[in-house]
Amino acid sequence: KQEVTQIPAALSVPEGENLVLNCSFTDSAIYNLQWFRQDPGKGLTSLLLIQSSQREQTSGRLNASLDKSSGRSTLYIAASQPGDSATYLCAVPNSNSGYALNFGKGTSLLVTP
Amino acid sequence: GAVVSQHPSRVICKSGTSVKIECRSLDFQATTMFWYRQFPKKSLMLMATSNEGSKATYEQGVEKDKFLINHASLTLSTLTVTSAHPEDSSFYICSAKGANHYEQYFGPGTRLTVT
Repeated sequence: KQEVTQIPAALSVPEGENLVLNCSFTDSAIYNLQWFRQDPGKGLTSLLLIQSSQREQTSGRLNASLDKSSGRSTLYIAASQPGDSATYLCAVPNSNSGYALNFGKGTSLLVTP
Repeated sequence: GAVVSQHPSRVICKSGTSVKIECRSLDFQATTMFWYRQFPKKSLMLMATSNEGSKATYEQGVEKDKFLINHASLTLSTLTVTSAHPEDSSFYICSAKGANHYEQYFGPGTRLTVT
């Protein structure tokens, strides 16, 4: 069974710092990996989707990398801002359940002014 | 990107009553829809997968007679929580996927509170 783990569980940084969130998965036979943002009490906002053939994807200050062979992905946030404070989730599709997503438990990020 | 809506966004009901949550894909045909549940400070857990015109496939530990799922059209799936109990209080999120697409599009979620 695919297990998705995110480290750290929580992170607090001062505004302006660059930071890295980590995601690992046990089954490297994935089709893609997706990073989401979730604000308290809200739904999910898709940030980046990396196909299995890709090594990284970039969107603005966000860069996600994927190393399938080692079962790892990172989300790099440059020049963090207080508005980046949220929970960040990574997820991979599970082919055994119609490609429903297996989610990690998330990293709760707090960026302080 | 594709848009998925959920209705209602919040609902409060009394124990023993039933609540229906709708999930709609607004601009694409969703051959598959997924229902997830999220307890406070926890991650999303898959409840069931529904394919249009077929019976839903439930994850282990999810009672199919309690959580009724209907996916009667390519744009609408419904989740009905029957005989709701306070422990059913949770955040329910649906997602939808079109044929030949691996990416899912998520609804904004429904906060259910059972008193």
